[in-house]
Amino acid sequence: TQLLEQSPQFLSIQEGENLTVYCNSSSVFSSLQWYRQEPGEGPVLLVTVVTGGEVKKLKRLTFQFGDARKDSSLHITAAQPGDTGLYLCAGDYSGNTGKLIFGQGTTLQVKP
Amino acid sequence: SQTIHQWPATLVQPVGSPLSLECTVEGTSNPNLYWYRQAAGRGLQLLFYSVGIGQISSEVPQNLSASRPQDRQFILSSKKLLLSDSGFYLCAWSPSASSPLHFGNGTRLTVT
Repeated sequence: TQLLEQSPQFLSIQEGENLTVYCNSSSVFSSLQWYRQEPGEGPVLLVTVVTGGEVKKLKRLTFQFGDARKDSSLHITAAQPGDTGLYLCAGDYSGNTGKLIFGQGTTLQVKP
Repeated sequence: SQTIHQWPATLVQPVGSPLSLECTVEGTSNPNLYWYRQAAGRGLQLLFYSVGIGQISSEVPQNLSASRPQDRQFILSSKKLLLSDSGFYLCAWSPSASSPLHFGNGTRLTVT
């Protein structure tokens, strides 16, 4: 059974601080996606990483895919209250079948 | 542009009652369709996915079933709800198996 371990589960920080969320697995993924979810809404895609070692930047968010395509990280620089939400990583383990395995999520609270 | 509609937004049902949640996608044809369930503030569990009309794959044994009577319509059903069926149900679509998911805004189901 494929598992995607996401850590930390909860994070409460002050505005302006940096943070990193990790997503780890013993399985190799063909691709990995990061989503952000607001309460009462569906997740919204932030980024997809496909190539081992790939780094993508989205404003203050930096996403990295591990060389072996088994892990990923999300780094937020100078967090803002608007970054508050649930961050989810999701891996495609079945060779592009669309059957994603989701991590347990990281609830981020950024205090002003 | 493509849109996904999911309803109702909230639902309170007694144990033993039937269930029907509906999801429709507009602006695309032959999408892959998915039903996920999410525990409070946690990751998503894939319940069903469909690559075409009448084609349903079940990921976990459960008290629920899914149907796809039309190309862009996906229905989640149960004949008799259990307390454990309570949760946040999300419908999603993708243009292909290798594409990211686009989620609806979910249905909060409470079984009493």
